[in-house]
Amino acid sequence: EVRLVESGGGLVKPGESLRLSCEVFGLPFAPAWLSWVRLAPGKGLEWLGRAKGDNLGGEINYAPFVKDRFIISRDGSKNTLFLQLNSLKSEDAGVYYCTTDPNWADGDFWGQGTQVTVSS
Amino acid sequence: VVMTQSPLSLPVTLGQSASISCSSSQSLLSSDGNTYLNWYQQRPGQSPRRLLHQVSNRDSGVPDRFSGSGSGTDFTLKISSVEAEDIGFYYCMEGTHWPPFTFGPGTEVTIK
Repeated sequence: EVRLVESGGGLVKPGESLRLSCEVFGLPFAPAWLSWVRLAPGKGLEWLGRAKGDNLGGEINYAPFVKDRFIISRDGSKNTLFLQLNSLKSEDAGVYYCTTDPNWADGDFWGQGTQVTVSS
Repeated sequence: VVMTQSPLSLPVTLGQSASISCSSSQSLLSSDGNTYLNWYQQRPGQSPRRLLHQVSNRDSGVPDRFSGSGSGTDFTLKISSVEAEDIGFYYCMEGTHWPPFTFGPGTEVTIK
């Protein structure tokens, strides 16, 4: 059974940082292309970025609006994808999900999401 | 690429059909011959799930009352006979011109 399990969300003040994790079970991690997507209150789904598989050097692509504030990385020894959130703003609040690649025809898997709240 | 959807709110009668339109500002036909247009459902309190990929291919476990059609810049999601479990938000998303992958604004489906 494939499972993606996010963790690391919480309440932070504007300007602070947070590191989210997504542990992958039941899916070969090294070749997996994985994305981060968020759902902000009153807004729709937003794609944040993606890490390609290790066989492609783990190349990272970002949505233009998060580049330089958010950093995606992966650790194959832990089967885990990370999202470092820096200089957080109130509009970054929402539920953050990790998911398999949107263009992967062989399946679609999502985590349960982790809540990020940004408030002074 | 800008993705638009209509309507943004869709009250439906149980058992009736429903359709959601999605348009893109550029053709989604890729150089590899595929069209990377997905449809997602997000039920209240649940994670999103992909219903259809490459316009019309249903994902595993998706009921056959969900179907997709379209080409180029105009696409449609149809629910042939709406059930109570179908309430929630529906999003189209293009994956041809990544990065980024771009979602539409979402359509909220409710029961009349």
